[in-house]
Amino acid sequence: QQQVKQSPQSLIVQKGGISIINCAYENTAFDYFPWYQQFPGKGPALLIAIRPDVSEKKEGRFTISFNKSAKQFSLHIMDSQPGDSATYFCAASMGTPPTDKLIFGTGTRLQVFP
Amino acid sequence: DAGVIQSPRHEVTEMGQEVTLRCKPISGHDYLFWYRQTMMRGLELLIYFNNNVPIDDSGMPEDRFSAKMPNASFSTLKIQPSEPRDSAVYFCASSLLPNTEAFFGQGTRLTVV
Repeated sequence: QQQVKQSPQSLIVQKGGISIINCAYENTAFDYFPWYQQFPGKGPALLIAIRPDVSEKKEGRFTISFNKSAKQFSLHIMDSQPGDSATYFCAASMGTPPTDKLIFGTGTRLQVFP
Repeated sequence: DAGVIQSPRHEVTEMGQEVTLRCKPISGHDYLFWYRQTMMRGLELLIYFNNNVPIDDSGMPEDRFSAKMPNASFSTLKIQPSEPRDSAVYFCASSLLPNTEAFFGQGTRLTVV
Protein backbone atom coordinates (compact mmCIF):
# COMPACT_ATOMS: atom_id res chain seq x y z
CA GLN A 1 0.00 0.00 0.00
CA GLN A 2 2.99 2.24 0.46
CA GLN A 3 4.20 1.73 -3.10
CA VAL A 4 4.17 4.16 -5.97
CA LYS A 5 4.36 2.46 -9.36
CA GLN A 6 5.96 4.38 -12.19
CA SER A 7 6.08 3.74 -15.92
CA PRO A 8 7.72 3.60 -18.35
CA GLN A 9 11.21 2.76 -17.18
CA SER A 10 12.72 4.65 -20.09
CA LEU A 11 11.43 7.00 -22.74
CA ILE A 12 12.91 8.34 -25.94
CA VAL A 13 11.33 11.43 -27.46
CA GLN A 14 12.25 13.70 -30.33
CA LYS A 15 12.83 17.35 -29.73
CA GLY A 16 9.53 19.20 -29.74
CA GLY A 17 7.52 16.13 -28.82
CA ILE A 18 5.45 15.41 -25.72
CA SER A 19 6.90 13.25 -22.95
CA ILE A 20 4.40 11.48 -20.69
CA ILE A 21 5.30 9.61 -17.51
CA ASN A 22 2.70 7.86 -15.39
CA CYS A 23 2.43 6.93 -11.74
CA ALA A 24 -0.13 4.98 -9.74
CA TYR A 25 -0.61 4.64 -6.01
CA GLU A 26 -2.75 2.57 -3.67
CA ASN A 27 -2.95 4.49 -0.44
CA THR A 28 -5.80 7.02 -0.60
CA ALA A 29 -4.33 8.85 2.38
CA PHE A 30 -1.49 10.23 0.26
CA ASP A 31 -2.01 13.98 -0.11
CA TYR A 32 1.15 15.32 -1.71
CA PHE A 33 2.41 14.25 -5.13
CA PRO A 34 5.67 15.76 -6.34
CA TRP A 35 7.81 15.07 -9.37
CA TYR A 36 11.58 15.22 -9.05
CA GLN A 37 14.15 15.63 -11.81
CA GLN A 38 17.64 14.18 -11.50
CA PHE A 39 20.63 14.86 -13.74
CA PRO A 40 23.65 12.52 -13.70
CA GLY A 41 25.87 13.10 -10.70
CA LYS A 42 23.32 15.34 -8.99
CA GLY A 43 20.68 14.89 -6.35
CA PRO A 44 17.00 14.90 -7.28
CA ALA A 45 15.39 18.36 -7.39
CA LEU A 46 11.72 19.24 -7.17
CA LEU A 47 10.22 19.96 -10.56
CA ILE A 48 6.51 20.39 -9.83
CA ALA A 49 4.05 19.14 -7.22
CA ILE A 50 0.30 18.79 -6.80
CA ARG A 51 -2.15 18.20 -3.97
CA PRO A 52 -5.38 16.22 -4.48
CA ASP A 53 -7.71 19.22 -4.34
CA VAL A 54 -6.88 20.07 -7.98
CA SER A 55 -6.83 17.90 -11.09
CA GLU A 56 -4.11 19.71 -12.99
CA LYS A 57 -1.16 21.98 -12.35
CA LYS A 58 0.94 23.63 -15.00
CA GLU A 59 4.31 25.31 -14.72
CA GLY A 60 5.77 26.34 -18.01
CA ARG A 61 6.17 23.28 -20.23
CA PHE A 62 5.52 20.91 -17.32
CA THR A 63 2.02 19.76 -16.33
CA ILE A 64 0.83 17.32 -13.68
CA SER A 65 -2.51 15.65 -14.34
CA PHE A 66 -4.11 14.07 -11.29
CA ASN A 67 -6.94 11.53 -11.30
CA LYS A 68 -8.06 10.92 -7.74
CA SER A 69 -10.66 8.25 -8.54
CA ALA A 70 -8.16 6.24 -10.58
CA LYS A 71 -5.37 6.90 -8.08
CA GLN A 72 -3.07 7.97 -10.87
CA PHE A 73 -1.04 11.03 -11.73
CA SER A 74 1.14 11.85 -14.67
CA LEU A 75 3.79 14.29 -15.81
CA HIS A 76 3.52 15.84 -19.25
CA ILE A 77 6.48 17.66 -20.75
CA MET A 78 5.42 19.73 -23.73
CA ASP A 79 7.87 20.75 -26.47
CA SER A 80 10.51 18.42 -25.00
CA GLN A 81 14.09 19.69 -25.26
CA PRO A 82 17.46 17.90 -25.14
CA GLY A 83 18.08 19.70 -21.84
CA ASP A 84 15.11 17.81 -20.38
CA SER A 85 17.08 14.56 -20.71
CA ALA A 86 17.24 13.30 -17.12
CA THR A 87 15.69 10.77 -14.78
CA TYR A 88 12.25 11.66 -13.44
CA PHE A 89 10.80 10.34 -10.21
CA CYS A 90 7.25 10.61 -8.99
CA ALA A 91 6.63 10.48 -5.27
CA ALA A 92 3.84 10.57 -2.73
CA SER A 93 3.50 11.28 0.95
CA MET A 94 1.00 11.81 3.74
CA GLY A 95 0.82 14.61 6.23
CA THR A 96 1.00 12.63 9.43
CA PRO A 97 4.06 10.98 10.97
CA PRO A 98 5.54 8.49 10.60
CA THR A 99 4.20 8.56 7.05
CA ASP A 100 5.09 12.17 6.27
CA LYS A 101 7.98 10.87 4.21
CA LEU A 102 8.34 10.75 0.44
CA ILE A 103 7.80 7.37 -1.17
CA PHE A 104 9.46 7.42 -4.59
CA GLY A 105 8.62 5.61 -7.78
CA THR A 106 11.35 3.66 -9.55
CA GLY A 107 12.22 6.44 -11.99
CA THR A 108 11.96 7.06 -15.73
CA ARG A 109 15.01 7.82 -17.80
CA LEU A 110 14.05 10.35 -20.46
CA GLN A 111 16.20 10.96 -23.52
CA VAL A 112 15.26 13.77 -25.88
CA PHE A 113 17.00 13.67 -29.25
CA PRO A 114 17.47 16.75 -31.44
CA ASP B 1 22.14 29.17 1.79
CA ALA B 2 24.52 26.66 0.21
CA GLY B 3 21.91 23.94 0.23
CA VAL B 4 22.31 20.50 1.74
CA ILE B 5 25.97 19.63 2.04
CA GLN B 6 27.21 16.06 2.04
CA SER B 7 30.70 14.71 2.53
CA PRO B 8 32.61 12.99 1.22
CA ARG B 9 31.42 13.05 -2.41
CA HIS B 10 33.11 9.75 -3.12
CA GLU B 11 34.24 7.01 -0.79
CA VAL B 12 36.04 3.80 -1.68
CA THR B 13 36.61 1.40 1.15
CA GLU B 14 37.44 -2.22 1.75
CA MET B 15 34.91 -4.72 2.95
CA GLY B 16 34.75 -4.82 6.72
CA GLN B 17 35.79 -1.22 7.23
CA GLU B 18 33.67 1.39 8.97
CA VAL B 19 32.23 4.12 6.77
CA THR B 20 30.80 7.42 7.98
CA LEU B 21 28.79 9.69 5.73
CA ARG B 22 28.08 13.25 6.78
CA CYS B 23 25.30 15.71 6.12
CA LYS B 24 24.62 19.35 6.89
CA PRO B 25 20.97 20.23 6.26
CA ILE B 26 19.66 23.62 5.21
CA SER B 27 19.55 25.94 8.20
CA GLY B 28 16.10 26.05 9.74
CA HIS B 29 14.89 22.81 8.22
CA ASP B 30 13.37 20.55 10.85
CA TYR B 31 13.28 17.37 8.76
CA LEU B 32 16.29 15.37 7.61
CA PHE B 33 16.14 12.28 5.41
CA TRP B 34 18.72 9.70 4.39
CA TYR B 35 18.10 7.91 1.08
CA ARG B 36 20.03 5.23 -0.77
CA GLN B 37 19.93 5.01 -4.57
CA THR B 38 20.79 1.93 -6.60
CA MET B 39 19.89 0.83 -10.10
CA MET B 40 18.04 -2.19 -8.76
CA ARG B 41 16.04 -0.61 -5.94
CA GLY B 42 15.80 3.06 -6.94
CA LEU B 43 15.52 5.64 -4.15
CA GLU B 44 14.96 4.02 -0.79
CA LEU B 45 14.32 5.97 2.39
CA LEU B 46 16.59 4.67 5.13
CA ILE B 47 15.68 6.89 8.07
CA TYR B 48 14.34 10.33 8.82
CA PHE B 49 14.56 12.78 11.69
CA ASN B 50 12.28 15.53 12.94
CA ASN B 51 13.91 18.08 15.22
CA ASN B 52 16.92 15.76 15.61
CA VAL B 53 14.75 12.85 16.76
CA PRO B 54 14.59 9.69 14.61
CA ILE B 55 10.98 9.17 13.53
CA ASP B 56 11.14 6.16 11.25
CA ASP B 57 14.14 3.89 10.75
CA SER B 58 12.23 1.01 9.19
CA GLY B 59 14.21 1.42 5.98
CA MET B 60 17.58 0.80 7.60
CA PRO B 61 18.72 -2.47 6.03
CA GLU B 62 20.23 -4.09 9.10
CA ASP B 63 22.08 -3.46 12.33
CA ARG B 64 25.24 -2.58 10.46
CA PHE B 65 23.62 0.75 9.62
CA SER B 66 23.16 3.49 12.18
CA ALA B 67 22.31 7.19 11.93
CA LYS B 68 22.59 10.04 14.38
CA MET B 69 21.65 13.68 14.47
CA PRO B 70 23.42 15.22 17.47
CA ASN B 71 22.24 18.74 16.59
CA ALA B 72 20.13 20.60 14.06
CA SER B 73 23.02 21.20 11.67
CA PHE B 74 24.68 17.80 11.43
CA SER B 75 23.83 14.17 10.82
CA THR B 76 25.86 11.04 10.17
CA LEU B 77 25.10 7.70 8.59
CA LYS B 78 27.48 4.97 9.65
CA ILE B 79 27.99 1.52 8.19
CA GLN B 80 29.99 -0.92 10.27
CA PRO B 81 31.20 -3.31 8.93
CA SER B 82 30.70 -2.36 5.30
CA GLU B 83 29.94 -4.94 2.61
CA PRO B 84 30.13 -4.81 -1.21
CA ARG B 85 26.32 -4.82 -1.43
CA ASP B 86 26.30 -1.48 0.40
CA SER B 87 27.79 0.15 -2.70
CA ALA B 88 25.33 2.85 -3.76
CA VAL B 89 24.80 6.59 -3.83
CA TYR B 90 23.61 7.88 -0.47
CA PHE B 91 21.60 11.09 -0.41
CA CYS B 92 20.74 13.35 2.45
CA ALA B 93 17.74 15.66 2.10
CA SER B 94 16.08 18.23 4.32
CA SER B 95 12.74 20.00 4.40
CA LEU B 96 11.18 22.80 6.37
CA LEU B 97 7.86 21.08 6.97
CA PRO B 98 6.48 17.59 6.43
CA ASN B 99 4.78 16.89 3.14
CA THR B 100 6.63 19.68 1.35
CA GLU B 101 9.64 20.08 -0.90
CA ALA B 102 12.68 18.09 0.14
CA PHE B 103 16.04 19.53 -0.88
CA PHE B 104 18.67 16.94 -1.73
CA GLY B 105 22.41 17.09 -1.36
CA GLN B 106 24.80 16.04 -4.12
CA GLY B 107 25.11 12.56 -2.67
CA THR B 108 27.99 10.35 -1.57
CA ARG B 109 28.98 7.60 -3.98
CA LEU B 110 30.11 4.68 -1.84
CA THR B 111 32.06 1.80 -3.31
CA VAL B 112 32.92 -1.14 -1.08
CA VAL B 113 35.50 -3.49 -2.59
